[in-house]
Amino acid sequence: ETGVTQTPRHLVMGMTNKKSLKCEQHLGHNAMYWYKQSAKKPLELMFVYNFKEQTENNSVPSRFSPECPNSSHLFLHLHTLQPEDSALYLCASSRSDRADEQYFGPGTRLTVT
Amino acid sequence: QKEVEQNSGPLSVPEGAIASLNCTYSDRGSQSFFWYRQYSGKSPELIMFIYSNGDKEDGRFTAQLNKASQYVSLLIRDSQPSDSATYLCAVNTGFQKLVFGTGTRLLVSP
Repeated sequence: ETGVTQTPRHLVMGMTNKKSLKCEQHLGHNAMYWYKQSAKKPLELMFVYNFKEQTENNSVPSRFSPECPNSSHLFLHLHTLQPEDSALYLCASSRSDRADEQYFGPGTRLTVT
Repeated sequence: QKEVEQNSGPLSVPEGAIASLNCTYSDRGSQSFFWYRQYSGKSPELIMFIYSNGDKEDGRFTAQLNKASQYVSLLIRDSQPSDSATYLCAVNTGFQKLVFGTGTRLLVSP
């Protein structure tokens, strides 16, 4: 849709599973972000990466583990999640000098059973 | 606590009318302000940004900013059913940190 792709689009996992979300951007950006969007709540920033280095961890529980091997790819590794972690997980990217102009991927709809 | 407040709606307007969406923010040091549109089941899409007090127009959309009152608004002229979506207000509170409101759902009826 916007040059930012996410896989999978839908994921159902049990609380003991381990899974990973993938994000890839084709816009030549060098900053990438993970957001969580729950019903009736604002978008919550989780992690920020600049040039592959994590620059923000917004007090996210350790059961969420990000990885950024290069400026185009971002992963979110999930393990021992809770049902309240069910949400839409959105990846975004931007130029580092235009961090407020972010482009979002389509999101992964996660359901934890 | 840095917050962005929006009325959740829904805001219902007839086709052709002006839709007015409002947002207030708490961090007086905020410098840039954004409106994202999110269709149901889709991701947010940036539609407007504004940095200075006053109005900024882009087609049918006008963003208005009043920093003294900590108030941002989005006007949509000649509203169309295709404008029906949730509109998210976002505020840049510092380096690479956008704080979003919960969004206002707009319904434009034919």
